[in-house]
Amino acid sequence: DTAVSQTPKYLVTQMGNDKSIKCEQNLGHDTMYWYKQDSKKFLKIMFSYNNKELIINETVPNRFSPKSPDKAHLNLHINSLELGDSAVYFCASSHGTVNEKLFFGSGTQLSVL
Amino acid sequence: GQQLNQSPQSMFIQEGEDVSMNCTSSSIFNTWLWYKQDPGEGPVLLIALYKAGELTSNGRLTAQFGITRKDSFLNISASIPSDVGIYFCAARQSMNYGGSQGNLIFGKGTKLSVKP
Repeated sequence: DTAVSQTPKYLVTQMGNDKSIKCEQNLGHDTMYWYKQDSKKFLKIMFSYNNKELIINETVPNRFSPKSPDKAHLNLHINSLELGDSAVYFCASSHGTVNEKLFFGSGTQLSVL
Repeated sequence: GQQLNQSPQSMFIQEGEDVSMNCTSSSIFNTWLWYKQDPGEGPVLLIALYKAGELTSNGRLTAQFGITRKDSFLNISASIPSDVGIYFCAARQSMNYGGSQGNLIFGKGTKLSVKP
């Protein structure tokens, strides 16, 4: 009965590959996010979608492309993976766009070899 | 850019001790929050503060929104083993700051561990 679920939990892949991370929330929220947490635990927002529309796009390489098929899902596709992409990626959701009460998924640990 | 400076970076606790950590910035914020992250999990919201000077408790946790609106602190009283984890302060950027449209930004975290 997980509120924000993301898959896979772990992803190990080679440089140059393309991979996707999926996220789903069953909270009825209309805003979803992707955050990146580096090895020093620093959390930085990457994208935010409200009702399937992109509202925040931080300085992220265009190899990262979010896709929101409906407001309960926000997937992250990454092309041509690089070593520096290794991190933990968190999906989150909230009710409304100006809402500090984020509900996070349990993260996807991406390791690029 | 707007940054949150969180300290200490890490600390060791003994069961029963009180713990304090804080977050400062050179920028003014209208909202301060504290999240906790357990290993292998995402952050979970502990306390949200919306007014300068506000003092809010959640069980053994107490957080305050600084009067200057540039800082916040979190206290944990009578710590227990399950308090270990990483605590993050967070604040909402001013709208349209550098085009970031009021993003939530996070401090670098305070890692709480148990004293050996």
